[in-house]
Amino acid sequence: GENVEQHPSTLSVQEGDSAVIKCTYSDSASNYFPWYKQELGKGPQLIIDIRSNVGEKKDQRIAVTLNKTAKHFSLHITETQPEDSAVYFCAASIGSYIPTFGRGTSLIVHP
Amino acid sequence: ETGVTQSPTHLIKTRGQQVTLRCSSQSGHNTVSWYQQALGQGPQFIFQYYREEENGRGNFPPRFSGLQFPNYSSELNVNALELDDSALYLCASSLVRTGAGTEAFFGQGTRLTVV
Repeated sequence: GENVEQHPSTLSVQEGDSAVIKCTYSDSASNYFPWYKQELGKGPQLIIDIRSNVGEKKDQRIAVTLNKTAKHFSLHITETQPEDSAVYFCAASIGSYIPTFGRGTSLIVHP
Repeated sequence: ETGVTQSPTHLIKTRGQQVTLRCSSQSGHNTVSWYQQALGQGPQFIFQYYREEENGRGNFPPRFSGLQFPNYSSELNVNALELDDSALYLCASSLVRTGAGTEAFFGQGTRLTVV
């Protein structure tokens, strides 16, 4: 089955800095890659996603890149703010939506 | 707000007991997936229901079972609870059409504690 590795497990940045979270996947058939933000006591919230026919997608301060050849994808957050502090999960899935999640990155943005 | 609601939000059960967790999917969605999230871990896929039938299952024993109803709401049942079943249980709903999937939206989860 699919295996998703996520790094780093913890990321600490100063407000205004950029943050990058990286994931790799094992199954070349995976074609959908969502990113979720989970705040304490809440369920994961979809923040951005990318499909395998696209190399990059951007939504305001958040961008995701996908390298199908290397089987890795990354989340980029620019101009970080304290409210960006949360746990971020990457995931990969094939066809119908049964994603495999990474283990999460705890992002801490210091004011 | 995702439109996916789960109940109850918190639950304490004794080892060996049975538990039923409920999920109301987002309007227009036909698929519900259940996940178990242990503390400090990513969500682990339990199973998915599509149009009232199980459509995929993760590496969980048969004492984890589920149902999906005609209105696409869903239940997760766990029998013979073990201490390791303590976790946040998440459901996610999505609209799946033949050959394609869409993004899934999660509920807030049910925190289950087994003592």
